[in-house]
Amino acid sequence: DAGVIQSPRHEVTEMGQEVTLRCKPISGHDYLFWYRQTMMRGLELLIYFNNNVPIDDSGMPEDRFSAKMPNASFSTLKIQPSEPRDSAVYFCASKKTGSFYGYTFGSGTRLTVV
Amino acid sequence: QQQVKQSPQSLIVQKGGISIINCAYENTAFDYFPWYQQFPGKGPALLIAIRPDVSEKKEGRFTISFNKSAKQFSLHIMDSQPGDSATYFCAATDSWGKLQFGAGTQVVVTP
Repeated sequence: DAGVIQSPRHEVTEMGQEVTLRCKPISGHDYLFWYRQTMMRGLELLIYFNNNVPIDDSGMPEDRFSAKMPNASFSTLKIQPSEPRDSAVYFCASKKTGSFYGYTFGSGTRLTVV
Repeated sequence: QQQVKQSPQSLIVQKGGISIINCAYENTAFDYFPWYQQFPGKGPALLIAIRPDVSEKKEGRFTISFNKSAKQFSLHIMDSQPGDSATYFCAATDSWGKLQFGAGTQVVVTP
């Protein structure tokens, strides 16, 4: 199993530009989570999906952030327009219902907005 | 508001020593308590986990101690090795599967 795959690994963009982060969960996992990690705020849950349906987006910081999961094997997190304070590492994780072994995280996308 | 409080923020331990990280929670709906290990440039990886009906779980050099009445749990790393140098996160989740992380502890094991 290739694990959770995120792309790109690094993204540098100018303030005001649109940024799209991508995630491919583990096949058979029915939950998908997007987290943001910063030194100041640690690991924050942004949004999660169950069976491709958004369940809780209360962690999405602003309307500039949006996430979609068009099918079981793909999700995107979009920031439009991006701002310097969005600079962080964004992680995607997936989980299978009933699994005691918890979430599997991707390697993350390091976003820098200049 | 952080639902899982973790301490210390960082610790330095000599090779062969014991690393102890403590966590506390308030939400009694939490029913699963994992610990994650994160190396620089990588995502968190599940290290060990426990359910509240068990007071202790051991896997190799890693042990979770769980005190349900005090709503506290801790990770002990025995015989710490330089390869254990990483950031450790405690976490908790309820039946919805929404994982709440502690702030993290950076562990440095000196040779």
